[in-house]
Amino acid sequence: DIQMTQSPSTLSASVGDRVTITCRASQSVSSWLAWYQQKPGKAPKLLIYDASNLESGVPSRFSGSGSGTELTLTISSLQPDDFATYYCQQYNTYWTFGQGTKVEIK
Amino acid sequence: EVQLVESGGGLVQPGGSLRLSCEASGFAATINYMSWVRQAPGKGLEWVSVIYTGGGTHYADSVRGRFTVSRDIFKNTVFLQMDSLRAEDTALYYCVRGARGPGLRPFDIWGQGTVVTVSS
Repeated sequence: DIQMTQSPSTLSASVGDRVTITCRASQSVSSWLAWYQQKPGKAPKLLIYDASNLESGVPSRFSGSGSGTELTLTISSLQPDDFATYYCQQYNTYWTFGQGTKVEIK
Repeated sequence: EVQLVESGGGLVQPGGSLRLSCEASGFAATINYMSWVRQAPGKGLEWVSVIYTGGGTHYADSVRGRFTVSRDIFKNTVFLQMDSLRAEDTALYYCVRGARGPGLRPFDIWGQGTVVTVSS
């Protein structure tokens, strides 16, 4: 099984900050990686697929990069609506999620 | 509107069974593959099972042999039969749709979830 490890687990940031979350895979997932946003009491929402493609309707301040075993999610300028938990997910071999990164207000 | 609505969750004793349903609307559940994902209280996301467009299935190691995914094409509904339930199966269970495209894909539509609690 492919294991996914996100870092950091928690991130404290301010509105306007540039934020980067890293996802490391136990083996190469090529570009078969997605990022989700989950707010309390809500279902996750797909933000990015195939490592760097923005899902329809997702603000352009979100971007994804990388391939292989190290991939990143970047929020260029954090907005109040972005405080949430973010998960990476590989779909190279079935599906595995990272443990999540909580982005909280500094 | 594309939507997934889960039902069937509840409280069950260890060793018991439960059957979850997921009714799809706005699309045919046979065009996309459908999966179940669960989230234990305060924890992360765990993929549970998939039913492919051709009807084939696959399961996470943690539920293989105990859970069975199926579908009713005419009712556009997917089911998750859960047997031999354990305390560690306690979670919010989401029904999700695999995005269109070749090969394995991420999940683009999520239901609101249904809660399963396994406790004596």
